[in-house]
Amino acid sequence: DAKTTQPTSMDCAEGRAANLPCNHSTISGNEYVYWYRQIHSQGPQYIIHGLKNNETNEMASLIITEDRKSSTLILPHATLRDTAVYYCIVSKTDKLIFGTGTRLQVFP
Amino acid sequence: GAVVSQHPSWVICKSGTSVKIECRSLDFQATTMFWYRQFPKQSLMLMATSNEGSKATYEQGVEKDKFLINHASLTLSTLTVTSAHPEDSSFYICSARTPDRGRNEAFFGQGTRLTVV
Repeated sequence: DAKTTQPTSMDCAEGRAANLPCNHSTISGNEYVYWYRQIHSQGPQYIIHGLKNNETNEMASLIITEDRKSSTLILPHATLRDTAVYYCIVSKTDKLIFGTGTRLQVFP
Repeated sequence: GAVVSQHPSWVICKSGTSVKIECRSLDFQATTMFWYRQFPKQSLMLMATSNEGSKATYEQGVEKDKFLINHASLTLSTLTVTSAHPEDSSFYICSARTPDRGRNEAFFGQGTRLTVV
């Protein structure tokens, strides 16, 4: 599975949009981009996934560049409860390999 | 939505004893489940893939005789840490995917915190 690169940490003000980038320049054509998050001492939670089109659900939006080498997860109105580690994962199988993720801190 | 449950949530055991952790898919059948380990301030590390009715597939560097996995039914996988030592203290997490409705997300248990003293 393709390796991903994410910033180690980011801050975001409550109520503002949080934009979390992910680079996956070695992604292959049949690999999906998944986003999960992990709140302290809990199991990871699914957020969203996509192949090549942009996706939106009740939690977030996923923007994938046309060449698919990078993507951005957007939390449109961040709340304090969105403070977590966000993982971008690229995979074509059931197996998910976690990188180091981005620690998002939402502040009041 | 689909739910994956782990039991126990936390356990403390003496060095040299064995500990069993259960992972259940509560509202769907899972032919495949995954076991992860997470040390403090680190990411999740995939340990093994649990396959219903067959042997588990272990990731490189994970001792299969140390971490016994049994997936005897479509809703239950167990991980047994044998002869546990303090270095086995960690957060163990399982996951499963539901095949329903073409959904593609994995669901994770709440994790089991193991402390070996």
